[in-house]
Amino acid sequence: KQEVTQIPAALSVPEGENLVLNCSFTDSAIYNLQWFRQDPGKGLTSLLLIQSSQREQTSGRLNASLDKSSGRSTLYIAASQPGDSATYLCAVSYGTSYDKVIFGPGTSLSVIP
Amino acid sequence: EAGVAQSPRYKIIEKRQSVAFWCNPISGHATLYWYQQILGQGPKLLIQFQNNGVVDDSQLPKDRFSAERLKGVDSTLKIQPAKLEDSAVYLCASSRFRGQGVRETQYFGPGTRLLVL
Repeated sequence: KQEVTQIPAALSVPEGENLVLNCSFTDSAIYNLQWFRQDPGKGLTSLLLIQSSQREQTSGRLNASLDKSSGRSTLYIAASQPGDSATYLCAVSYGTSYDKVIFGPGTSLSVIP
Repeated sequence: EAGVAQSPRYKIIEKRQSVAFWCNPISGHATLYWYQQILGQGPKLLIQFQNNGVVDDSQLPKDRFSAERLKGVDSTLKIQPAKLEDSAVYLCASSRFRGQGVRETQYFGPGTRLLVL
């Protein structure tokens, strides 16, 4: 069964701290992996997308890595800010003829000023 | 570019009633997704359309849920009759289609929050 898990479920850090969010997936035959951000009462916003052939992607203070063989991805956030407070979701894409996406449960991040 | 539009934003109904949600994807996006997100969980795909056709509805409870996408643009998701466990946020997303096996980023709407009493 294809499953995606994320740890921790919740995280609270002081402003300015660097942090790492973890995502694990059971089936390594992925097409790509994507990290999303979800603010309360809103939809999801794509942060980074890593193709299966890539090892990492960077955007500003965010860096996502992918290790297909071990079924893991990490999202690194540098110099955290209160505006980073949100739920971060990992989504894995499978399928050949169409995009089958499985989401993890998310990590709720709170950055304390 | 306008984003994915959904309505209504909130809906409260009693169990056994029916409800419908509407989604207007980004212009030119051929692929449309409906997700159910229960509190504390990640979104679960209910149904995926490619233009007018259904490519995946394996997790859609077909005894009570139905969805259609007429003319390959707007889509409607219906629940009839609703159960308490249907309380969730229903998210619509869309993406471009550039050919089989090509993956494009999904763009999400704000969602419809459903409460079944």
